[in-house]
Amino acid sequence: EADIYQTPRYLVIGTGKKITLECSQTMGHDKMYWYQQDPGMELHLIHYSYGVNSTEKGDLSSESTVSRIRTEHFPLTLESARPSHTSQYLCASSGSGVQPQHFGDGTRLSIL
Amino acid sequence: SQQGEEDPQALSIQEGENATMNCSYKTSINNLQWYRQNSGRGLVHLILIRSNEREKHSGRLRVTLDTSKKSSSLLITASRAADTASYFCATDALRSYKLIFGSGTRLLVRP
Repeated sequence: EADIYQTPRYLVIGTGKKITLECSQTMGHDKMYWYQQDPGMELHLIHYSYGVNSTEKGDLSSESTVSRIRTEHFPLTLESARPSHTSQYLCASSGSGVQPQHFGDGTRLSIL
Repeated sequence: SQQGEEDPQALSIQEGENATMNCSYKTSINNLQWYRQNSGRGLVHLILIRSNEREKHSGRLRVTLDTSKKSSSLLITASRAADTASYFCATDALRSYKLIFGSGTRLLVRP
């Protein structure tokens, strides 16, 4: 099993709250990714990072922001949560070159 | 529009039967990967096939790639109830490490 961890696993919270989803990996991977996935649907890339202090927006527009201050840590923040943010958020990482991505178990977010 | 589309969307088979899933994509790729996702979990990498490869095996898995038709197939032989999951193909565009995932095939293996 890959060593990539996401917390919390489940979060139910009210509209307007600030949320941070945590993602950490212990494999020393340079590349990290955040995906959004609705139940039974495909994954959409919302953010990625190729290394410390490097972040880019993905293919799906998202109101969330990310930071990459340390190699192992790639948190995602929503400044003011809305019901439209309800979804599952998956974090992944990959090593140098053409490598498979290793996924965490995701955070299932529900905004009331 | 999405790069990868999978067919069928859902598949139900009896334990011991073979399961075949297909993936089509639109643009030139470096490689194609297959992932499995159990309910409520993250994705697990199954197999990677490079654009210059035509077939690859891993245990009960067999993947083919036809770049002229921009399609790939995943065959699971002698299926087990534990194979019940969603299966996704993912492609990377040339000069990019980003993956684009298909919509997935939901496989149910009945005991």
